[in-house]
Amino acid sequence: LAKTTQPISMDSYEGQEVNITCSHNNIATNDYITWYQQFPSQGPRFIIQGYKTKVTNEVASLFIPADRKSSTLSLPRVSLSDTAVYYCLVNTGGFKTIFGAGTRLFVKA
Amino acid sequence: DSGVTQTPKHLITATGQRVTLRCSPRSGDLSVYWYQQSLDQGLQFLIHYYNGEERAKGNILERFSAQQFPDLHSELNLSSLELGDSALYFCASSERSGSSADTQYFGPGTRLTVL
Repeated sequence: LAKTTQPISMDSYEGQEVNITCSHNNIATNDYITWYQQFPSQGPRFIIQGYKTKVTNEVASLFIPADRKSSTLSLPRVSLSDTAVYYCLVNTGGFKTIFGAGTRLFVKA
Repeated sequence: DSGVTQTPKHLITATGQRVTLRCSPRSGDLSVYWYQQSLDQGLQFLIHYYNGEERAKGNILERFSAQQFPDLHSELNLSSLELGDSALYFCASSERSGSSADTQYFGPGTRLTVL
């Protein structure tokens, strides 16, 4: 099962773009990369998922280089309400789902 | 709102007791997953069911058991409760059998407090 490594915490200011990088060196050929956001005492919320290159939706972009050993979640123009824990997850498919420790993002005014 | 519902929202009980947590997946989803999250801890995968059958097991204690019913709702049973079982328990659902492209949608959780 692919293990993920993310920074433990990050600080930013409102209006800035935030990039959170996750490394997953032993990602397998069929694995997808998924990012979740979690607020205290709430269930994780799906943000974005990708397999390769770039994926963009209304809230974020996900950049995955050709070797797929890492991925970067990009949050444009963050606000105070983006303060949360962000989890990078490698979907191995059909097996245990292993969440890492996540990245605590703190957005300051 | 993810479409996944969990009941009850809060549960307070005593050591040695048994409780049942309930989860209803999103409409159309066949997979249900259970997770435990202790205070300031990450999400620990417990178990995954697909269309009524167990698909994968994580670090689920023998005192814990789960099942998924024909209507696809799931129950997590926790028995002989200990203080350390106090945690948030999340249920998630996905459309398929847990393929690598499956996205899990999480419920609001049940907060269990064991006194």
